[in-house]
Amino acid sequence: GAVVSQHPSWVICKSGTSVKIECRSLDFQATTMFWYRQFPKQSLMLMATSNEGSKATYEQGVEKDKFLINHASLTLSTLTVTSAHPEDSSFYICSIPEINYGYTFGSGTRLTVV
Amino acid sequence: LAKTTQPISMDSYEGQEVNITCSHNNIATNDYITWYQQFPSQGPRFIIQGYKTKVTNEVASLFIPADRKSSTLSLPRVSLSDTAVYYCLVGDTFGSGNTGKLIFGQGTTLQVKP
Repeated sequence: GAVVSQHPSWVICKSGTSVKIECRSLDFQATTMFWYRQFPKQSLMLMATSNEGSKATYEQGVEKDKFLINHASLTLSTLTVTSAHPEDSSFYICSIPEINYGYTFGSGTRLTVV
Repeated sequence: LAKTTQPISMDSYEGQEVNITCSHNNIATNDYITWYQQFPSQGPRFIIQGYKTKVTNEVASLFIPADRKSSTLSLPRVSLSDTAVYYCLVGDTFGSGNTGKLIFGQGTTLQVKP
């Protein structure tokens, strides 16, 4: 399956600042990527579908102006948490699907907003 | 996507076989059943996928009865390192004209004791 690299692994930022998380497909051209958020002891919650060359599709309840997704190339999707607040502290995970193969997940990014 | 129901938690001891059952009463004809494993602060990892009857790989077996309304993940002779959360998901494979979204249920937290 695809080899996925997610960066950074963890980040601490001050309230009100923005943080960018990268998801890279190292060996596969991904037209679609997914972004998830996971709070402690909870399941993964799908945030949005990232589509190469077009706007992302957000799940109901996810603020598109707060969670900016850019999928400018077939190997990179970025999630920017804008004006982060402590309640945005979470574990963010990207996923890359492959036709008739399955889904490969990134290693995740632990965001802590202080 | 079909909703799945799993036990919230299970305990086992090293060396035992563990069976985790998942209910998916509304599974569609085109849906596959996939299990993922997630360790703390990591992204989910694919374990096994099946459509019907039995599938076995180097780490697990998946048993699916004829009506496909449930499935059982079997982990032979577990070790401490198998302590993780296990997710059962059902859905069509990516690229089959569907959205490709994976919606995670609550998962089963398996605790393996020495």
